[in-house]
Amino acid sequence: DVKVTQSSRYLVKRTGEKVFLECVQDMDHENMFWYRQDPGLGLRLIYFSYDVKMKEKGDIPEGYSVSREKKERFSLILESASTNQTSMYLCASSRPPQETQYFGPGTRLLVL
Amino acid sequence: ELKVEQNPLFLSMQEGKNYTIYCNYSTTSDRLYWYRQDPGKSLESLFVLLSNGAVKQEGRLMASLDTKARLSTLHITAAVHDLSATYFCAGGTSYGKLTFGQGTILTVHP
Repeated sequence: DVKVTQSSRYLVKRTGEKVFLECVQDMDHENMFWYRQDPGLGLRLIYFSYDVKMKEKGDIPEGYSVSREKKERFSLILESASTNQTSMYLCASSRPPQETQYFGPGTRLLVL
Repeated sequence: ELKVEQNPLFLSMQEGKNYTIYCNYSTTSDRLYWYRQDPGKSLESLFVLLSNGAVKQEGRLMASLDTKARLSTLHITAAVHDLSATYFCAGGTSYGKLTFGQGTILTVHP
């Protein structure tokens, strides 16, 4: 069974803080993704990575950065958290080229 | 740029009834996915449709794909309460990326 884990289920941060969200997958998948989910907007892709140290911007990368130093781990970084980054963050992984994406449990982030 | 639209966005069904969720997409997509999300939970993969005319069924759910019409449907047969969830369709693009629809919130009531 594919397992994707995320470091926190719930997180409360203050405006201006640097926030790290960690994602780990155990199936040796090449592709990893970070999404945010907001009501009525579905899932929007923030960044993705198709190999170690490779990253590509998704649809809404502003205010975020990512790091992928090891194949199994993909980190999302909010350099200076803002209230409009309050959201549910979902990590996913897949094996190219057409494999289903498997999702982690999500991190619900509240920025005060 | 691929755009995916679902309708309806909200669906209230009676148990035992049938209904269909529609998923339209704007440009060529080489695969179409359906996911389910229960409240407070993550997304669970339901179906992957890879070619025109593909049909897949699991229990009371059946998904189909018409690439010429750029349309996928998720048909629910004889709904039961356990099917209450949010359903997403997503089109596949390069590098394994997915573009998601807005989601359809399905509520099945007695």
